[in-house]
Formats: sequence, C-alpha cells, structure tokens
Amino acid sequence: AQSVTQPDIHITVSEGASLELRCNYSYGATPYLFWYVQSPGQGLQLLLKYFSGDTLVQGIKGFEAEFKRSQSSFNLRKPSVHWSDAAEYFCAVGPRASFGNEKLTFGTGTRLTIIP
Amino acid sequence: ETGVTQTPRHLVMGMTNKKSLKCEQHLGHNAMYWYKQSAKKPLELMFVYSLEERVENNSVPSRFSPECPNSSHLFLHLHTLQPEDSALYLCASSQDFADTGNTIYFGEGSWLTVV
Repeated sequence: AQSVTQPDIHITVSEGASLELRCNYSYGATPYLFWYVQSPGQGLQLLLKYFSGDTLVQGIKGFEAEFKRSQSSFNLRKPSVHWSDAAEYFCAVGPRASFGNEKLTFGTGTRLTIIP
Repeated sequence: ETGVTQTPRHLVMGMTNKKSLKCEQHLGHNAMYWYKQSAKKPLELMFVYSLEERVENNSVPSRFSPECPNSSHLFLHLHTLQPEDSALYLCASSQDFADTGNTIYFGEGSWLTVV
C-alpha cells in the first residue's frame, strides 16, 4: 500500500530565509506526487505536481520541489519565504492509474510558522 | 475562490440532530469527493462520486449519508453523530475520477462540532 510521511509536524522559519519541507513516500512504482497548501480557514490548494520528466518541478507562489527516486522523496523548497506563506503544507501521492482502492494519499501535514 | 463552494462554513449540532452539508462546484467536473480532516491525522477520503454515481465508500459509518443529485452538487447528510465526528469536512472535485493525475480542487470546508 502506498504511504506518505512528512517527518516535520511544525517548522518555524524567519521571513526571508529559505525553506525545505520534507516528504517521503512508499510506493511500488513511480507515483504521481503533489504538494498542497492550506491557509488558515481555507481548503487545500495545489502548489505543484510531478508526473514525469524533469525532476525539478516549479509551482505557484515561488515554490519548487525535487523528485529523488533513489531517496523516495519529494521535498518542497522556497528560497525566501514571505509572511503569507504561513500555512499547513500537505504532500500527497497517487497511483498512475486508479486500481481498486488506491487513490490519492495525503501526509499528515507540516505546519509552517513565519517569524519576523 | 476555487470554484467549489461549501455551506455552511460552521455547524454546531447535538448528537440527536439531523443536518446536512452542501457543496457546489462550478468547474464542470465529473467527480466530487467528501474528505474528513481531523487534527494530526491525514485527510480521510469518505466518499467519491463520478458522474453522479457513488464509486467509493471508505468504510464510513452509516450516520453519514451522501447524496449527489447532479454533477454540480453534493450533500452530506448527518444524523445521530458522535463527538468524535467533530472535524473539518472538505468537499472537492476533479475533472475525472479515474485519472489520478487530475488536480483536485477543494472547497473551504465546513467546520462541524458535535456537542
């Protein structure tokens, strides 16, 4: 069964500093990989997704993520965070075709706090 | 504005009440979903509808009853809930249920408190 691990429950970063949020997955083949963001009181919004090709994926709001097959990781990065980036971030993994009960699986999320 | 609208945003209900959550999507999508979001737990997929037919029911208690009258509307009927059902309920939609690469668009959620 597929699974997603976000090892950091809460991260605090100074405004202007760089950010890396970790995501590790377990899946038998190369899955689809996603990062979603949830601002306070809001639903989830897609930041970026990886299907194939270039392992460095660019997303919205200046975020990028790198797929590393050898490490089964899909870490999210941003070179300089803004106060508005404070939110909860969810990594998700999905099979390349929907078979049986395999659907999109979300991690437990990483809460990002930005300090001045 | 994601194109998925949920009402009410907040709901407090007693364990003997009957209430409903409503979701409407304006994206022309064929698939609609209900997710449950509880603190410190991954998002739980509850129900999936594709072209108005239920295609997924992840062992959800019968006190939750979904309804999809058309491809734009989805309801979650609630009755005799338990305090542990208190959570954020997210509605979502995507173009096609079978294509797992589709982006899922989420509503802002309905905060449910069961007292």
